Amino acid sequence: EDKVVQSPLSLVVHEGDTVTLNCSYEVTNFRSLLWYKQEKKAPTFLFMLTSSGIEKKSGRLSSILDKKELFSILNITATQTGDSAVYLCGSGGGADGLTFGKGTHLIIQP
Amino acid sequence: NAGVTQTPKFRILKIGQSMTLQCTQDMNHNYMYWYRQDPGMGLKLIYYSVGAGITDKGEVPNGYNVSRSTTEDFPLRLELAAPSQTSVYFCASSYLNPVRDSRGLSGANVLTFGAGSRLTVL
Repeated sequence: EDKVVQSPLSLVVHEGDTVTLNCSYEVTNFRSLLWYKQEKKAPTFLFMLTSSGIEKKSGRLSSILDKKELFSILNITATQTGDSAVYLCGSGGGADGLTFGKGTHLIIQP
Repeated sequence: NAGVTQTPKFRILKIGQSMTLQCTQDMNHNYMYWYRQDPGMGLKLIYYSVGAGITDKGEVPNGYNVSRSTTEDFPLRLELAAPSQTSVYFCASSYLNPVRDSRGLSGANVLTFGAGSRLTVL
């Protein structure tokens, strides 16, 4: 059975802090690992990772994949209150879509 | 370009009632999915479809049915609503690259989600 585990499940930090979110995966039909941000409605796409060691960056967010150790991290630097959300990690990418973890609920306090 | 559109956004059902959640996409995606999301539990796959006329069960299909008569539409039907089906339902679509790599695997593009349908069964 495919499995994706995210940690921590919840995290409270202050504005300006740097956070690291973790995602480990065991999927039989791995094609990609995706990160989404969910703010009370539809998940919105952040990154898709397919190769080890290549960092993807978008502003203050970055992510990297380790296909040998089967994990990925999502880093957010200089956090802002607008970063408060649930961050979802999904893996797979074959015909049956993605298997998702439970998500990390991130709260940024002013 | 509307993307993925779900209706209704909210619905309250009584136990035993039936209803259909509608999902339509205008991106000409070949793959479509239905997920449910319960508090603190992430997204669980209910059903998926790789094209018109083809559907397959996901991780939690019991109590649901789907059909895919067109590329654009992928409705989800609840026949006998139960309290355990209280959840937020997300429809998603993606384009699956049919070109296979050396391992015989083809790659899926990014899933695009609809805004969700919140269903309460009392």
